[in-house]
Amino acid sequence: DAKTTQPNSMESNEEEPVHLPCNHSTISGTDYIHWYRQLPSQGPEYVIHGLTSNVNNRMASLAIAEDRKSSTLILHRATLRDAAVYYCILRVSGSRLTFGEGTQLTVNP
Amino acid sequence: EPEVTQTPSHQVTQMGQEVILRCVPISNHLYFYWYRQILGQKVEFLVSFYNNEISEKSEIFDDQFSVERPDGSNFTLKIRSTKLEDSAMYFCASSSQGSSIQPQHFGDGTRLSIL
Repeated sequence: DAKTTQPNSMESNEEEPVHLPCNHSTISGTDYIHWYRQLPSQGPEYVIHGLTSNVNNRMASLAIAEDRKSSTLILHRATLRDAAVYYCILRVSGSRLTFGEGTQLTVNP
Repeated sequence: EPEVTQTPSHQVTQMGQEVILRCVPISNHLYFYWYRQILGQKVEFLVSFYNNEISEKSEIFDDQFSVERPDGSNFTLKIRSTKLEDSAMYFCASSSQGSSIQPQHFGDGTRLSIL
């Protein structure tokens, strides 16, 4: 899987929007952009995925740059429960997920 | 919402002993996975399993490891002769299809401690 780059950590205040960036300059045309998160003491949890167009679901929105070399996960109103490590993962094959270091999101009350 | 369940939540084993970690995937899922996370490190892929066969494995998944679906609901990871470096969180995951679109659903893991 192609490489992604994310900031090590970010902070947000409760009830404010959070924009988590991910760079993937070597992305290929068939790579899907997936986001997972891992809450403390839990397994990874699927958040959202997309290919070219922006995507919305009940958890978050995914904004994908026109050249697909970067994407942004948007949490519209952060809650304390959103404090987690967020992983941006590129997938071309259906099998393994390759996790990087991710971004540790801290949400301040 | 259906979920992946793993047992036990914590397993303590003497080095050299065999250990079996158990997982119950989501009931209509056909693809199964094991990952591990050593304390403070990244989540690492171990193996994927479909149609009673290993479909992919990583370099970590050596001859000490095996997987099995002994019945219609359970999926197990066996470590034949545990080493100290096998101490980690082990996560099971399942998905309905094997495509790059389908998300994988994870359990909350088994913490394996080797003494």
